[in-house]
Amino acid sequence: QKEVEQNSGPLSVPEGAIASLNCTYSDRGSQSFFWYRQYSGKSPELIMFIYSNGDKEDGRFTAQLNKASQYVSLLIRDSQPSDSATYLCAVGRGTASKLTFGTGTRLQVTL
Amino acid sequence: DTAVSQTPKYLVTQMGNDKSIKCEQNLGHDTMYWYKQDSKKFLKIMFSYNNKELIINETVPNRFSPKSPDKAHLNLHINSLELGDSAVYFCASSGGPQETQYFGPGTRLLVL
Repeated sequence: QKEVEQNSGPLSVPEGAIASLNCTYSDRGSQSFFWYRQYSGKSPELIMFIYSNGDKEDGRFTAQLNKASQYVSLLIRDSQPSDSATYLCAVGRGTASKLTFGTGTRLQVTL
Repeated sequence: DTAVSQTPKYLVTQMGNDKSIKCEQNLGHDTMYWYKQDSKKFLKIMFSYNNKELIINETVPNRFSPKSPDKAHLNLHINSLELGDSAVYFCASSGGPQETQYFGPGTRLLVL
């Protein structure tokens, strides 16, 4: 079992729709959860982090965490073509610790 | 101003050569990292330094040797390069209350 699992996609959603990206993790001691976006040929850039169970909203993005189910998700509302990228889920055990990344989900937002 | 910078951006070299990649951050962070991203886009940590001290050393061939001359710099030296070393190497640094990691632009290494 991979430590952090994501569906590789591609996930195709029409412009204006909600994109739902999912991630599961195996380490129950995980405490920090991050979503990064990576455009082709570019470096990962942080979108959001979440530490507590529940939802965290930032603009069009909402991160959801359920530690009991070892599940974290990212919702993108009003998806735009510029959201087309690979989304990486990363999980850590605490501050200044190593992050374990999933293999990423490729999102395609179609016109 | 670039927060995390790496040089070179591209590196093409022959098998068996020795090469170095340099990383600098101007964010004032205490912790820096080296990651390798392979052709399948899997991003895996290699090393981490906190204030010039090695704190994470994953299972990496000892041909790879990191060096941190000060907390703003982290270099990666690779000896006897092999074909399988071809990848994108990202430097990152972290700081702040959440210790979120910020990545450099990457160094694309191709070993021929």
